[in-house]
Amino acid sequence: GAGVSQSPSNKVTEKGKDVELRCDPISGHTALYWYRQSLGQGLEFLIYFQGNSAPDKSGLPSDRFSAERTGGSVSTLTIQRTQQEDSAVYLCASSSRHRGRNEQFFGPGTRLTVL
Amino acid sequence: QQQVKQSPQSLIVQKGGISIINCAYENTAFDYFPWYQQFPGKGPALLIAIRPDVSEKKEGRFTISFNKSAKQFSLHIMDSQPGDSATYFCAARLNQAGTALIFGKGTTLSVSS
Repeated sequence: GAGVSQSPSNKVTEKGKDVELRCDPISGHTALYWYRQSLGQGLEFLIYFQGNSAPDKSGLPSDRFSAERTGGSVSTLTIQRTQQEDSAVYLCASSSRHRGRNEQFFGPGTRLTVL
Repeated sequence: QQQVKQSPQSLIVQKGGISIINCAYENTAFDYFPWYQQFPGKGPALLIAIRPDVSEKKEGRFTISFNKSAKQFSLHIMDSQPGDSATYFCAARLNQAGTALIFGKGTTLSVSS
């Protein structure tokens, strides 16, 4: 079946512009995660959605970052007034919450470049 | 206390050799330790995972060794192949199902033929 998809695959923007990154999780997966991967760094947790519960926003680096998940499926990560340090690969993952199933399935990521 | 420390940062191994990547953690509330493999331009993919009640898990050429008392775990790749060349991340999860993973900074493995 289809995996996690993300769009766009690449995004180049100018400093100060807003960007929206999209994630389509695996059908039926109730959990959705956003991570950021900077060059030479591991994956940094940003935000987590689980079903209809309030999202865990503890990883968002500033109030310029926000995310929403509509209808328990598609999610959009928005970065306002982008800065050069926002340049990174933004990865989305989804997982099933069934007992014993912990695997997070990752999308290919969106490479964001802020000029 | 939330960190997972991974070493080495990069590793070069000859074809047929053993690749070993190490990780250490502090938080004893972690209850799930996966390893992810990432090829350039792709998202990470789960390779193998272990829970702290097991000292070793083997899947094919890949083995996780887990030392609960030392709070360390490692990935061993036996008979390393050029196709294993990738970046490997260890990770840990707090003992709440569905919470986010905390990742190490990754190890870039190159297997020379």
